[in-house]
Amino acid sequence: DQQVKQNSPSLSVQEGRISILNCDYTNSMFDYFLWYKKYPAEGPTFLISISSIKDKNEDGRFTVFLNKSAKHLSLHIVPSQPGDSAVYFCAASRIIGKLVFGKGTKLTVNP
Amino acid sequence: KAGVTQTPRYLIKTRGQQVTLSCSPISGHRSVSWYQQTPGQGLQFLFEYFSETQRNKGNFPGRFSGRQFSNSRSEMNVSTLELGDSALYLCASGVPGLAGNEQFFGPGTRLTVL
Repeated sequence: DQQVKQNSPSLSVQEGRISILNCDYTNSMFDYFLWYKKYPAEGPTFLISISSIKDKNEDGRFTVFLNKSAKHLSLHIVPSQPGDSAVYFCAASRIIGKLVFGKGTKLTVNP
Repeated sequence: KAGVTQTPRYLIKTRGQQVTLSCSPISGHRSVSWYQQTPGQGLQFLFEYFSETQRNKGNFPGRFSGRQFSNSRSEMNVSTLELGDSALYLCASGVPGLAGNEQFFGPGTRLTVL
């Protein structure tokens, strides 16, 4: 039973344009949603998170939107840069405890 | 502040052997979690330790075990290795109750079982 789903295994965008990564979840008890970025042979790097009581959180070029009624969240990267090319993981958790991850979306930003 | 460190970075073992992986969390972090990453299953939660107590455990067989020491450092052990245990093992540390439940990951230990 996959509680967090990233349905797009890959995404390709042009440098300077917007990247939108999507994530769906099934468990309405999650309190937090997080996005991580991962390069090969490295551990995931935390990017941004959002509380379930919010619908938007912004940090620089990164914005996460949460639609609780649809059990859907998205990460927007504007403008996209070649250095953003990586695998992006969506994760969800209760207030404390384990992170439940999606299977990731590979983002490629073309110069 | 130094990040999460994991040793060794790479490990090659044969079926039937056992292995111990080590993790040093960020200074001040008392919660340590372990995750397994494989191409097919993605990132799967193994277990979480806080103040030397296992607080949560994922759906892995009993061959996978762990412990945490008084200085918050953690080890995980896999006994009777199987080919399917080949994976990247990631350790993460955090501060329980920190807004967002952000967990910070180490670089991982790449285990190959032959």
